[in-house]
Amino acid sequence: QSVLTQPPSVSAAPGQKVTISCSGSSSNIGNNYISWYQQLPGTAPKLLIYDNNKRPSGIPDRFSGSKSGTSATLGITGLQTGDEADYYCGTWDSSLSAMIFGGGTKLTVL
Amino acid sequence: QVQLQESGPGLVKPSETLSLTCTVSGGSMRSYYWSWIRQAPGKGLEWIGYIYYSGSTNYNPSLKSRVTISLDTSKNQFSLKLSSVTAADTAVYHCARRPRDGDYFDFWGQGTLVIVSS
Repeated sequence: QSVLTQPPSVSAAPGQKVTISCSGSSSNIGNNYISWYQQLPGTAPKLLIYDNNKRPSGIPDRFSGSKSGTSATLGITGLQTGDEADYYCGTWDSSLSAMIFGGGTKLTVL
Repeated sequence: QVQLQESGPGLVKPSETLSLTCTVSGGSMRSYYWSWIRQAPGKGLEWIGYIYYSGSTNYNPSLKSRVTISLDTSKNQFSLKLSSVTAADTAVYHCARRPRDGDYFDFWGQGTLVIVSS
């Protein structure tokens, strides 16, 4: 069981918007930056969001991140079939002294 | 563009030591943390540890007693050794880069599957 809690799956239709939540505590999300990763089937994770809401070069603005208290949210607008993937949140946990990840959320674009 | 590539045996016997190397190309190793992250089949991501280019290390407390990460900047490589492996260590092992001032991983290797079995 992961320290960071994500829903196992979410789904939405092409063109729609979806949000993926990541819930933690004061020792992780509450006092540290969150990042988000996309893992397409059979590939390595790819950085989507860092420092809560920043996008690396090349990541479209359809992807957004936000944080409030001990929870964070990844938003994806204008869903495409190519967005079908597993999404992970990650952060540092000051109590565990470790980088931690959520259990992952599988996005299905119906 | 920075690229990372893992290499090493795909099969390790129980109780032996797993050894992997990550080769970095397209960029300097300076001012970054070089990391190992694994993913058991059908499971999520688990951070193993990282090494700074200066040689200082930080390991996941849950694996610390069995992990050693080392660095060879002359070859642009860093390595992972995980001792006393069991079937629970079967996973895809990724190497990744962490910026000095950020708690995130911006470049990843494709990963290599290591199976622990006799």
